[in-house]
Amino acid sequence: EPEVTQTPSHQVTQMGQEVILRCVPISNHLYFYWYRQILGQKVEFLVSFYNNEISEKSEIFDDQFSVERPDGSNFTLKIRSTKLEDSAMYFCASILAGGLNTEAFFGQGTRLTVV
Amino acid sequence: DQQVKQNSPSLSVQEGRISILNCDYTNSMFDYFLWYKKYPAEGPTFLISISSIKDKNEDGRFTVFLNKSAKHLSLHIVPSQPGDSAVYFCAASGSNTGKLIFGQGTTLQVKP
Repeated sequence: EPEVTQTPSHQVTQMGQEVILRCVPISNHLYFYWYRQILGQKVEFLVSFYNNEISEKSEIFDDQFSVERPDGSNFTLKIRSTKLEDSAMYFCASILAGGLNTEAFFGQGTRLTVV
Repeated sequence: DQQVKQNSPSLSVQEGRISILNCDYTNSMFDYFLWYKKYPAEGPTFLISISSIKDKNEDGRFTVFLNKSAKHLSLHIVPSQPGDSAVYFCAASGSNTGKLIFGQGTTLQVKP
């Protein structure tokens, strides 16, 4: 069964460092997303990406964040200068082309720990 | 601004009984609702969804009910099994980007 894959599963980084979280969405999907879940809290939308550009972003997704689909298969989230409060599980998701009222498929997540 | 709320943080039921998980929303622009199941250290897994043009959708042991006038949906699991023990998230969508707004989650424990 096709799945969304994320790497790494766990990333530990020093405050102020840059991190890149990687995702490979399901191959025929066209809409891509990043969400995050701070420990004990709800899953929060960060950004949606379609046709090689951001279609929507939340207040969380400030200038320290960026997304890219560099090669047609990978979808990356970059945090330029990490803060302690960026520590969370980050989930990538994708939606099948042809309709937005369909389920999003999520990856297993990357646990980011900023120390 | 909690547009999607799950007011019960936890629920415990006996194996074989019905589990009912509830969700309320405030944004009348939402037109698609989903339930996801999540185990620790894993991503959310899609369970079942419902469009706003319906009031019920059934898939095996799982049924989702939508009451648009009350802005309320519920997930029924019958019969409940110990393997159903997980965190259940309600989510809603209404923008053209497919963005999902999640509730806080309800931890379901099904006791053997």
